Amino acid sequence: SAVISQKPSRDICQRGTSLTIQCQVDSQVTMMFWYRQQPGQSLTLIATANQGSEATYESGFVIDKFPISRPNLTFSTLTVSNMSPEDSSIYLCSVEWGQPRYGYTFGSGTRLTVV
Amino acid sequence: AQSVAQPEDQVNVAEGNPLTVKCTYSVSGNPYLFWYVQYPNRGLQFLLKYITGDNLVKGSYGFEAEFNKSQTSFHLKKPSALVSDSALYFCAVRDGTYKYIFGTGTRLKVLA
Repeated sequence: SAVISQKPSRDICQRGTSLTIQCQVDSQVTMMFWYRQQPGQSLTLIATANQGSEATYESGFVIDKFPISRPNLTFSTLTVSNMSPEDSSIYLCSVEWGQPRYGYTFGSGTRLTVV
Repeated sequence: AQSVAQPEDQVNVAEGNPLTVKCTYSVSGNPYLFWYVQYPNRGLQFLLKYITGDNLVKGSYGFEAEFNKSQTSFHLKKPSALVSDSALYFCAVRDGTYKYIFGTGTRLKVLA
């Protein structure tokens, strides 16, 4: 499976500021996925990032709040903008792997606390 | 609509006893089903998957899962639980595209 490096692993941020999370994969992948895991809850897909095109956002998530970059086939960033305490969550990037291409590999996650 | 249900928020089991973590699903078409585990302060780790074939799927760390089409279930099992198995377990289904739908998670606590 692919190996994903995600950073930072955790951060405490002031409300109104922005944080950019980086995700590096050790192999080229077509799609990268960004998830949010709110405290005590399941995973919710934020958006899908394809290289060379704009990210596709799920219902309830918008580009102004969660801008995503995908400059090449091994790297992506997610920015959480104008943060509020409600944004406190774990943010995870993932890729699909294997032949057939079923199964996710996840990064170790970014634990964000907004104060 | 595709959905996954994990009816138990928490499962407690004594070390050495068999464990079962339940998962039921609702999908149109053939289901692609997965189990993931999340240890504290870690990302999710893949345990096993069912795509097609044998209904009993074997995965990492001695875990296995049984696909039951008539009951639309995909329960996770292990014959003998270890304290180190204590973690949060997620069942997931691929919805026919590239998207995965995750259950709400079940916290497994193995008691020494």
